[in-house]
Amino acid sequence: QKEVEQDPGPLSVPEGAIVSLNCTYSNSAFQYFMWYRQYSRKGPELLMYTYSSGNKEDGRFTAQVDKSSKYISLFIRDSQPSDSATYLCAEGDNDMRFGAGTRLTVKP
Amino acid sequence: NAGVTQTPKFQVLKTGQSMTLQCAQDMNHEYMSWYRQDPGMGLRLIHYSVGAGITDQGEVPNGYNVSRSTTEDFPLRLLSAAPSQTSVYFCASSYASAGGYTFGSGTRLTVV
Repeated sequence: QKEVEQDPGPLSVPEGAIVSLNCTYSNSAFQYFMWYRQYSRKGPELLMYTYSSGNKEDGRFTAQVDKSSKYISLFIRDSQPSDSATYLCAEGDNDMRFGAGTRLTVKP
Repeated sequence: NAGVTQTPKFQVLKTGQSMTLQCAQDMNHEYMSWYRQDPGMGLRLIHYSVGAGITDQGEVPNGYNVSRSTTEDFPLRLLSAAPSQTSVYFCASSYASAGGYTFGSGTRLTVV
């Protein structure tokens, strides 16, 4: 069993929709959680970083960590076609563990 | 400010050949890592370094060597290429052990 599980999708939504992306993890000792965005044929870029439980908001993006259920989420409000990419959740520090990524398409 | 630079961008190797994937960063980051990305499997850690002269193995280290003689450079060596090493390789760096990494644009390697 992978330590970080993520539904690969694909997920397709209309422009302006609220998008919810989710991951589960298995190790309760995990403390650092990240979301990366990866455009086709590019390297991942860091979107959000959170420590332990709680919410963190940055513009249209909100990251949420629920340690009691070992669940991490990324919400995108007012989604745009430019948000079309693969979203990767990750946990850790030196040795980050990644989910497989969810491919999102936002249709105009 | 170039960030993380990986060379080459594309490479085709024959089985049994060796090669070095180059990675350089100009952000004075202590922490550097190598990942491979395969369809449906996400990114998997190969090796990482917490500073010059210090390296450690990740999840999938077999068939790869690394060294870190300077803060800026972290090359990845394939000792004897195998078709199973066909993948996209990413180098990443960070100023701290936690807080997220900056990734390079990747090297697409095909082993035939």
